[in-house]
Amino acid sequence: AQSVTQPDIHITVSEGASLELRCNYSYGATPYLFWYVQSPGQGLQLLLKYFSGDTLVQGIKGFEAEFKRSQSSFNLRKPSVHWSDAAEYFCIAFTSGTYKYIFGTGTRLKVLA
Amino acid sequence: GAGVSQSPSNKVTEKGKDVELRCDPISGHTALYWYRQRLGQGLEFLIYFQGNSAPDKSGLPSDRFSAERTGESVSTLTIQRTQQEDSAVYLCASSRYGTGRGRATNEKLFFGSGTQLSVL
Repeated sequence: AQSVTQPDIHITVSEGASLELRCNYSYGATPYLFWYVQSPGQGLQLLLKYFSGDTLVQGIKGFEAEFKRSQSSFNLRKPSVHWSDAAEYFCIAFTSGTYKYIFGTGTRLKVLA
Repeated sequence: GAGVSQSPSNKVTEKGKDVELRCDPISGHTALYWYRQRLGQGLEFLIYFQGNSAPDKSGLPSDRFSAERTGESVSTLTIQRTQQEDSAVYLCASSRYGTGRGRATNEKLFFGSGTQLSVL
């Protein structure tokens, strides 16, 4: 079955530290991949997306993600976390054949001052 | 409109009552999705509309849940005989294409701010 797995439910990092949020997908074909962020009291916002081409994609707010086909992964990274990055992050997969967006369960990021 | 609009933003109801949630997608967006987010949990797919095609209702948790959409306009999600476990944020999202037919590079979900439903 198609699925998206975010193994880390909660992650805590210190401000200024680097961050990596993991995402693995299970699909027959390479899906389109997205990372969305849900900040407290706010709606979901697109951080970045991967459809094809360069496997390292840059997004807003200094985030980047790398698609690795061999590992079926699309991990989100940021070299230096800011306190305002505290939020919930969702990895999402979409295939044009099924039209469905499949959400991971989310990773809640806490940033320590 | 400029974005996906949902109303009401908050709804408090008594157990057993019916509620209706509304979603106004972005004009021109053929695809519309409803999701549910329970406290501390991820997003749970409920239902998907694509143009005039039959909706995908595979995510609806019970027959108390139903949704309608006329053409490519407003959608309403109805929950009958609400239960306490229905308490959640109900999110609506729309996208221009939904199926990504040859336009996948523009594919993107736009979310509303949600309706917080509390069943007492």
